Amino acid sequence: AQSVTQLDSQVPVFEEAPVELRCNYSSSVSVYLFWYVQYPNQGLQLLLKYLSGSTLVKGINGFEAEFNKSQTSFHLRKPSVHISDTAEYFCGIYNQGGKLIFGQGTELSVKP
Amino acid sequence: DTEVTQTPKHLVMGMTNKKSLKCEQHMGHRAMYWYKQKAKKPPELMFVYSYEKLSINESVPSRFSPECPNSSLLNLHLHALQPEDSALYLCASSQDTGSSHGYTFGSGTRLTVV
Repeated sequence: AQSVTQLDSQVPVFEEAPVELRCNYSSSVSVYLFWYVQYPNQGLQLLLKYLSGSTLVKGINGFEAEFNKSQTSFHLRKPSVHISDTAEYFCGIYNQGGKLIFGQGTELSVKP
Repeated sequence: DTEVTQTPKHLVMGMTNKKSLKCEQHMGHRAMYWYKQKAKKPPELMFVYSYEKLSINESVPSRFSPECPNSSLLNLHLHALQPEDSALYLCASSQDTGSSHGYTFGSGTRLTVV
């Protein structure tokens, strides 16, 4: 079965600092990987996705992620965060059964 | 139109009530989904509709009854719910169940069962 594990439940960081949110996946077949963001009291918004090809994927709001097949990771990064990036971030894997499965989420808290 | 619209945004219902959640999209997507999200938890898949037919039911209790009247609409009928069913209910859609484009989510209905 395919799954994702987000290694940090909470990540506090100061404004303008870089951040990395970690995600490992488990799958024996090719995968589609996603990062979603959820702002308070809102639905989920797609940040970026990896389907195939280049392992460095750029998304919205200055975020990027790198797919690493040997380490089965798909970590999300941003070189300089803003207060407005405070939100819950979910790593997701799309499995062959037609399901989008999420990790437990990482709460990013950006402090001034 | 690139949105998934969910109504109502908030709903409070008693355990003996019958209510419905509504979801609508006009992107031509042929797959639609219901997710349930408890506080501080990831969304959990409940149902998948593909071309207006139920394709996945994740062992959801029968007090939740989905319906897909047409390719743009998805309803979730609620009856005899329990307080532990209080959660954010998210609807999503995608081009089809094999879509590599990801899902588009609505803003959700926050349900409180009293």
